[in-house]
Amino acid sequence: EVQLVESGGGLVQPGGSLRLSCAASGFTFSSYEMHWVRQATGKGLEWVSAIGTAGDTYYPGSVKGRFTISRENAKNSLYLQMNSLRAEDTAVYYCARGDRLVVPGGGYYYYYMDVWGRGTTVTVSS
Amino acid sequence: EIVLTQSPGTLSLSPGERATLSCRASQSVSSRYLAWYQQKPGQAPRLLIYGASSRATGIPDRFSGSGSGTDFTLTISRLEPEDFAVYYCQQYGSSPLLTFGGGTKVEIK
Repeated sequence: EVQLVESGGGLVQPGGSLRLSCAASGFTFSSYEMHWVRQATGKGLEWVSAIGTAGDTYYPGSVKGRFTISRENAKNSLYLQMNSLRAEDTAVYYCARGDRLVVPGGGYYYYYMDVWGRGTTVTVSS
Repeated sequence: EIVLTQSPGTLSLSPGERATLSCRASQSVSSRYLAWYQQKPGQAPRLLIYGASSRATGIPDRFSGSGSGTDFTLTISRLEPEDFAVYYCQQYGSSPLLTFGGGTKVEIK
């Protein structure tokens, strides 16, 4: 069964750090781009970071310089190191698999996030 | 930076009715990288549509997507009780790498 399981959430003080983990199973982890997406209570989805198969990383401006995404293919694991945490970082954090469906002969692909974990909750509060 | 604006914010309909959800991009988006997700309370998002109009595996054919450029639409032809949820559009590939719309809640009237 294809599965993603997040862990590492908890309560942390403003300015503190936390490291999230995501354990993948049921698929060849090293072959997929992976993402972190968060959702504050009652709010919408916000993309947090992505890491490609070659280890290239991407961030939106809201977390750039504070968060670091990494992967350890030998352990089928994805990580998110979060530093200088703020109250507005409080959210459920999901890891998700990015997949590319190549169109045969078309020279292009579709992109979507087709597998999601159940999320881990991060609360930043004093 | 691409911004996706979904409307309406809330759609109040009865089972059996047709739902039409809009996603408008602040600049042109490749339809190949436009997806729709459904999220129910306490659950992770679920992929519904990719490539603007292709249904994901196991998605009923009452769900359909259309559009190109800056205007995209998700249509649910006849609402079933399990379809009442929040729906998000998402684009990939433009700066920032990935963006979600603010969501449309489809609630029971």
